[in-house]
Amino acid sequence: EDQVTQSPEALRLQEGESSSLNCSYTVSGLRGLFWYRQDPGKGPEFLFTLYSAGEEKEKERLKATLTKKESFLHITAPKPEDSATYLCAANAGNMLTFGGGTRLMVKP
Amino acid sequence: DAGVIQSPRHEVTEMGQEVTLRCKPISGHDYLFWYRQTMMRGLELLIYFNNNVPIDDSGMPEDRFSAKMPNASFSTLKIQPSEPRDSAVYFCASRRQGGDNQPQHFGDGTRLSIL
Repeated sequence: EDQVTQSPEALRLQEGESSSLNCSYTVSGLRGLFWYRQDPGKGPEFLFTLYSAGEEKEKERLKATLTKKESFLHITAPKPEDSATYLCAANAGNMLTFGGGTRLMVKP
Repeated sequence: DAGVIQSPRHEVTEMGQEVTLRCKPISGHDYLFWYRQTMMRGLELLIYFNNNVPIDDSGMPEDRFSAKMPNASFSTLKIQPSEPRDSAVYFCASRRQGGDNQPQHFGDGTRLSIL
């Protein structure tokens, strides 16, 4: 059975304090790893797709990386507006399996 | 461009009543997905359609749940009869053709409360 696990469940950072979120996956025939951001009362918003081990993608203060078993979302010098829940999802053919998410809180 | 539109945004009803959730996908998107999100189970896929045809409904929890897509611009998820354990946020998402790594785009969900 496909499984995606995210850690930590919650993370509190001071503004400017860099950190990383982890996404571990066990998926047969991975076709891509997705990262989404979800704000309260909203649907998940697409951030990145990673296709193969070693791949990296960046957007503003966020950088996503992928290995054969894990993906990391690195947040550099976060700001309060980066506070949200970050979800990763593994694609094994049209269907996404989501992790439980990491709730990030950045304090000014 | 308009995103995925869901209605209603909130629904509160009593146990046993029929509930219908609605979704308008992004124009030109050929895939439509229905998800349910709860604190306990996270985001779970219920069913998805390709070109208005249901492809996989293995995530639909029971026969009380049904989904239709009568045309490319509209889909419904119906619960009949509803139960308190159906309380959750229900999301609709759509994506275009062109490989299964095209990202899914989500609506803002319907928060359903069954009393």
